[in-house]
Order: sequence, then structure tokens, then C-alpha cells
Amino acid sequence: EDKVVQSPLSLVVHEGDTVTLNCSYEVTNFRSLLWYKQEKKAPTFLFMLTSSGIEKKSGRLSSILDKKELSSILNITATQTGDSAIYLCASPGAGSYQLTFGKGTKLSVIP
Amino acid sequence: DVKVTQSSRYLVKRTGEKVFLECVQDMDHENMFWYRQDPGLGLRLIYFSYDVKMKEKGDIPEGYSVSREKKERFSLILESASTNQTSMYLCASSPWAATNEKLFFGSGTQLSVL
Repeated sequence: EDKVVQSPLSLVVHEGDTVTLNCSYEVTNFRSLLWYKQEKKAPTFLFMLTSSGIEKKSGRLSSILDKKELSSILNITATQTGDSAIYLCASPGAGSYQLTFGKGTKLSVIP
Repeated sequence: DVKVTQSSRYLVKRTGEKVFLECVQDMDHENMFWYRQDPGLGLRLIYFSYDVKMKEKGDIPEGYSVSREKKERFSLILESASTNQTSMYLCASSPWAATNEKLFFGSGTQLSVL
């Protein structure tokens, strides 16, 4: 059974801190790992990491895939209150259509 | 921008009622999905569809059915709502491709069954 595990499940930091969110995966025929941000309702896409693209960066957010360790991290530098959200990690499993999601990390950034 | 629209943001229903959750996407995507999201359990796939009139069970299909009569619309049906179906329901779509992992989500429907 495919599995995606995120840690920590929740995190509280102060504005300006740097945070690292973790995601480990056990999926059949790994193709990619995705990160989403969910602020209110709709998760929005952040990054997709593959064997040919193991590092992605966008502004203060960056993500790295470690295929040897079967894991990924999402880094957020100089956090802002607007970064408060649930961050979801997911990977497609053996079936082409299904994403297996982790339970998410709830990040709270306080002023 | 891709738009996935769910018909209701909040719904309150009684136990035993038949409930329809509607989802429409405007980008001609072949694949559509229904997830439910519960605290501590994350997102779990209920059903998905890769073409009109085609459907496949996800991880937790019990108590649900779906309908896809038109490409842009995917409906989730609770035949007889129960309190354990109180949840956030998220619809998503993606284009057909060899790698179709990037899902576009709707804003969700918070369903309460009393």
C-alpha cells in the first residue's frame, strides 16, 4: 500500500523564522512528489519534484527531493503570517490517476 | 486560469437525505476527482473519472456514488446521508497526460449531516 507521511503535523513559528517541513514516501513506481498549500479551502499547487527535477525554488519557498532517502523537504525562509496554512505532500501511486496524500502539516506563523 | 467550481460552500442536511454535490471545471480536463478531508486523516479519494460516463472507485467509496454525464461536470451523490459523512468535500480535475499528477482543486464544500 502506498504511503506518504508528513512531519510535523503542526508547527508554530514567529514571523521571520525559517521552517522545514518533511515528507517521506513509500510508493510503487515512484514518478513524482507534489507539494500543495491549503489556506482556506482549495489546495493550490506549489511544486512538483521528479527524478529529473529534484530541486525547485519560488521566492522564499524551496523544495528538495532525496530519492535515496525517499523523502522531500519544503523550506520557507523569512516566514510571514500569510504563510500560515496546511501544507500537503502527495505522490501518485501504482495507478496513474490516484494521488496519495500525507495528512498535512499545519503551519501557524505568529507576529 | 483553470477554474473548478463547487456548487455550495456549506451544506447542512439531515440523516437519511439524498445529497448531491456538484463540481464543474472549465478547462476541458478529462480527469475529475472527489476527495474528502477530515482532521487527522488528510485527503482521501472517494471516486474518480477519466472520461464521460466512466468512473473508478477510490479508497473510500462506500456510501457514495458519482455521475459524469458531461465532461465538465462530476457529481458526488450520498444516497442516504449519515453523520459519519460530515466532512469537507473537495473536487479536483486534471488533464489527460502520461503524468497527470497536478490537480486543480475547487474551494470545497463543508457538509454537515445532523
